[in-house]
Amino acid sequence: GENVEQHPSTLSVQEGDSAVIKCTYSDSASNYFPWYKQELGKGPQLIIDIRSNVGEKKDQRIAVTLNKTAKHFSLHITETQPEDSAVYFCAASGSSSASKIIFGSGTRLSIRP
Amino acid sequence: DTGVSQDPRHKITKRGQNVTFRCDPISEHNRLYWYRQTLGQGPEFLTYFQNEAQLEKSRLLSDRFSAERPKGSFSTLEIQRTEQGDSAMYLCASSLYNRLIENTGELFFGEGSRLTVL
Repeated sequence: GENVEQHPSTLSVQEGDSAVIKCTYSDSASNYFPWYKQELGKGPQLIIDIRSNVGEKKDQRIAVTLNKTAKHFSLHITETQPEDSAVYFCAASGSSSASKIIFGSGTRLSIRP
Repeated sequence: DTGVSQDPRHKITKRGQNVTFRCDPISEHNRLYWYRQTLGQGPEFLTYFQNEAQLEKSRLLSDRFSAERPKGSFSTLEIQRTEQGDSAMYLCASSLYNRLIENTGELFFGEGSRLTVL
């Protein structure tokens, strides 16, 4: 089955700097890669996703890149702000219908003022 | 509030007792998922339903766990003979699946039911 590895587990960046979180997946059949943000006491919330037919997607300060050959995908947050502090999870699924989404172990991002 | 709701939010029980969690998904969503999350880890897939049919169940899931979605709306997750290792946050999520149209596959999560087994 699918296995998703995520690193780093913790990340601290200065406000205004960029943050990068990286993930790898094992199942070459996976074709849908969402990223979720979880704030304390809440369930995860989708922030951006990418499908395997594109290599990059951007939404304001957030961008995701996908390298299917290497089975790597990354989340980039630019101009970080205090409200970006949270736990971020990458995930992978075998279809965009989200039959079963497998999550990475998470990255706790802290933004230093 | 039209989001996913879970009940109870917190449950403390003694080892060996049975517990049941309820999830009410977003009303128009036909898929419902259960995940388990322990501290410092990502959500671990348990099972999911499309309408009332349970389509997949994790092979790691003990026989003490059972989930139902009898009318294709709310779902219950029951844990029998609880063990201390069952202590975790149990997350429910729902999504709208339509194979005829392009679907983002977005899961909408509830805030979870935290189980503590003493």
